[in-house]
Amino acid sequence: RKEVEQDPGPFNVPEGATVAFNCTYSNSASQSFFWYRQDCRKEPKLLMSVYSSGNEDGRFTAQLNRASQYISLLIRDSKLSDSATYLCVVRKDTGRRALTFGSGTRLQVQP
Amino acid sequence: GAGVSQSPSNKVTEKGKDVELRCDPISGHTALYWYRQSLGQGLEFLIYFQGNSAPDKSGLPSDRFSAERTGGSVSTLTIQRTQQEDSAVYLCASSADREFGGYTFGSGTRLTVV
Repeated sequence: RKEVEQDPGPFNVPEGATVAFNCTYSNSASQSFFWYRQDCRKEPKLLMSVYSSGNEDGRFTAQLNRASQYISLLIRDSKLSDSATYLCVVRKDTGRRALTFGSGTRLQVQP
Repeated sequence: GAGVSQSPSNKVTEKGKDVELRCDPISGHTALYWYRQSLGQGLEFLIYFQGNSAPDKSGLPSDRFSAERTGGSVSTLTIQRTQQEDSAVYLCASSADREFGGYTFGSGTRLTVV
């Protein structure tokens, strides 16, 4: 079983739609959580951290459910520029401390 | 520099040859990471350097892979006797604080083994 699992998609949504992605992680020792964005043939870039209390950054909302070991990302009022692959990322508090990346969920926002 | 610099940006090599990939992290960043990404796949952790500590090499796929970081700055990833399955984009990232997930990635080296 992969440490971080995501639905690969693609999610095809019209502009203005609300879309949500979920991600599950297998290691309960995971301590920190993030969403990264990766455009086609580009390097990943940090989108936002995910806090236990949930957090919002403009049109983006991230939630963490430690009991069920899943993380979500909600995008409201989708823009064409949101089209990208969204990577769910976790870091354990023991052992390897480097980030573990999911394979990503591809989003395509259509006009 | 302003960002993480990787060279070369593209490398085509014949099977069996050795290759060296270079990463120049953001000045002052103590943590440096190597990942690779095969076509359509997620990022696979390779190796992690933190300051003067012994590197975490647990992600290196075989003994053909090695990496070093000189003077706490520039890092070189070496792949010996390359195989076709080594073809991937090799990404380097650095961060100021190993406890924070704000990695800055370089634009990667696209390695093709023919």
